[in-house]
Amino acid sequence: ETGVTQSPTHLIKTRGQQVTLRCSSQSGHNTVSWYQQALGQGPQFIFQYYREEENGRGNFPPRFSGLQFPNYSSELNVNALELDDSALYLCASSFIGGGATNEKLFFGSGTQLSVL
Amino acid sequence: TQLLEQSPQFLSIQEGENLTVYCNSSSVFSSLQWYRQEPGEGPVLLVTVVTGGEVKKLKRLTFQFGDARKDSSLHITAAQPGDTGLYLCAGVDGGSYIPTFGRGTSLIVHP
Repeated sequence: ETGVTQSPTHLIKTRGQQVTLRCSSQSGHNTVSWYQQALGQGPQFIFQYYREEENGRGNFPPRFSGLQFPNYSSELNVNALELDDSALYLCASSFIGGGATNEKLFFGSGTQLSVL
Repeated sequence: TQLLEQSPQFLSIQEGENLTVYCNSSSVFSSLQWYRQEPGEGPVLLVTVVTGGEVKKLKRLTFQFGDARKDSSLHITAAQPGDTGLYLCAGVDGGSYIPTFGRGTSLIVHP
C-alpha cells in the first residue's frame, strides 16, 4: 500500500473525446509523475510536476497536459483521444527537498483507459 | 533517449529453480532501480543500486550493478510462486532524477 490513489480505475472513451485522470499523492510527497504503460511494455514517462510547475516532460504530444494542485494532488488530461492512447496510466509520487532527490517513486494502481 | 534492454522478455519456471534477468544499456546512469509489478497494480520499488560493482541482497533476490554503471542483473534463488510478476529495471539520469524504464521481464513460477 503506497498511499497513492488514482481514479477512476477503469475508463472507456471513444476516439476524439477528452479524458481527465486524477491522482492523490502519498502524504508528505511534493512531486508527482505520470507514466503511460501500454500492454506488454514498460512505463513511459509523460511528465512530472513539482510545486505546481512542470519539472520534466517525455516524448508526448501537447494534447497530453497536466496540473498539480496546492495539496499536491494531480490531474492528467488527454485531448483528442486516439486508439493508441489505450493503456494503463500510472501516477507516482515522490519527494524533493532537504538533499533528497525525487527518483524514489511510489506508484498508484493506475487507470486503465480503453479508447474505442 | 536512454534505452534499457531487458532479457529475457518472458520466463516460465518451476518452483525451486534459480533464474537471472538482465538489464543493459549503452548509457551510464547515476543509479539503477528494480521494480516488481503484479497484474492490476503499479510497480513497487525493490531496490536502488548506486555504486558501480555494488551488490545488494533482499532475501532470495540478489541485485548487481555493473562496474561501468550501464547494466544490472537480478538473480532469484529458489523461486517461489509468489515471485511471479513483471520485473522492471529503471535507469536514473543524474541530471533530472527521472527514472526511465525498460520493457520488463515477465516471470511465471509454477508450483
